[in-house]
Amino acid sequence: AQSVTQLGSHVSVSEGALVLLRCNYSSSVPPYLFWYVQYPNQGLQLLLKYTSAATLVKGINGFEAEFKKSETSFHLTKPSAHMSDAAEYFCAVTTYSSASKIIFGSGTRLSIRP
Amino acid sequence: NAGVTQTPKFQVLKTGQSMTLQCAQDMNHNSMYWYRQDPGMGLRLIYYSASEGTTDKGEVPNGYNVSRLNKREFSLRLESAAPSQTSVYFCASSDLTGGGYTFGSGTRLTVV
Repeated sequence: AQSVTQLGSHVSVSEGALVLLRCNYSSSVPPYLFWYVQYPNQGLQLLLKYTSAATLVKGINGFEAEFKKSETSFHLTKPSAHMSDAAEYFCAVTTYSSASKIIFGSGTRLSIRP
Repeated sequence: NAGVTQTPKFQVLKTGQSMTLQCAQDMNHNSMYWYRQDPGMGLRLIYYSASEGTTDKGEVPNGYNVSRLNKREFSLRLESAAPSQTSVYFCASSDLTGGGYTFGSGTRLTVV
């Protein structure tokens, strides 16, 4: 079975600072990994995905994530935070053998300080 | 560019009442899903349908039933609502494994 752990339910950074949201996964087979963003009162939007190609994945809005098998991690980063990045972020995992069910982490709320 | 459409957006039920949440997608996706979202718990899978004509239980199926009416539509029914079912419900669809999901905008359900 797969699982995902997001470290930190709330992260606060200053505008212009580095954003780092942490995600560790557990999977007995090669995983597919995702980051989703949820703005207030909206559904989830796919930011980026890792599906066994390049380990550094670039997504929308300047975000990227690096798959590190040795650390079982898939942390999300952005070099310079914008006020519009304030939202909740979810890391998620699936595998080819799980009939495309995706398991979500509990989420990290990102706040941006002016 | 509708994507995944959920109705209704808001609903208040009394304990014991029943209702059906509707979901439709126009992307010709094979798979559809129902999740519930509760504070601090992320999204938990209730039921899913890998393809038209099939449905399977997810992590938290108790108190719910589903119907995959056709390729486009996947409904979630609460037969006898309980306060523990107060939540935000999201429908999603996907095509290929590893492709990620497209989510609807959610239904906020309150059971009093």
